[in-house]
Amino acid sequence: GAVVSQHPSWVICKSGTSVKIECRSLDFQATTMFWYRQFPKQSLMLMATSNEGSKATYEQGVEKDKFLINHASLTLSTLTVTSAHPEDSSFYICSARGRAQETQYFGPGTRLLVL
Amino acid sequence: GQQVMQIPQYQHVQEGEDFTTYCNSSTTLSNIQWYKQRPGGHPVFLIQLVKSGEVKKQKRLTFQFGEAKKNSSLHITATQTTDVGTYFCAGPGDGGSNYKLTFGKGTLLTVNP
Repeated sequence: GAVVSQHPSWVICKSGTSVKIECRSLDFQATTMFWYRQFPKQSLMLMATSNEGSKATYEQGVEKDKFLINHASLTLSTLTVTSAHPEDSSFYICSARGRAQETQYFGPGTRLLVL
Repeated sequence: GQQVMQIPQYQHVQEGEDFTTYCNSSTTLSNIQWYKQRPGGHPVFLIQLVKSGEVKKQKRLTFQFGEAKKNSSLHITATQTTDVGTYFCAGPGDGGSNYKLTFGKGTLLTVNP
């Protein structure tokens, strides 16, 4: 149980375009989803916390207008990187927790390369 | 804000040797979690420790939570090549939130066969 999927797994885009990443909890209802960014050989940095039906809470230094998060249902959250630039190239990972869970279950991640 | 420090950053061992990574928090933790991330993969939950002084074992992995609940360790006995990866500890975030996690920088373990 506790499977989280992410789509796409890889994306290459041109600078200035927007990219949408989906995160789905497949076998449980995710009351909270988290979006992380991980640069090569670095730790996971939390970008934002997303609760179903409410606005996401962004960490300090993360531009909410650039990284749009929507958590429209208990099984789906999306992260849209707007007007992507090469410095946005990174590994984006979502995680989800259910109502009765303290642990987070991670999706397989999305590697974004902005040219 | 809360900081979770992890050492060493890298560890290279010969297969069969033991390995330990240490995690220290600037604040008392209600719990600590450990994750493993294989090269090119995503973090996978290993275990959660909650009680002061708690010790848990998973086959060759031994996890400890300090008495003061500010430090933790992961020890692997007789490493195998399948143990390769980055091991992260994580504690609940600031502001009383039990749901956000603050991750340590991780320890990258490489094993020479």
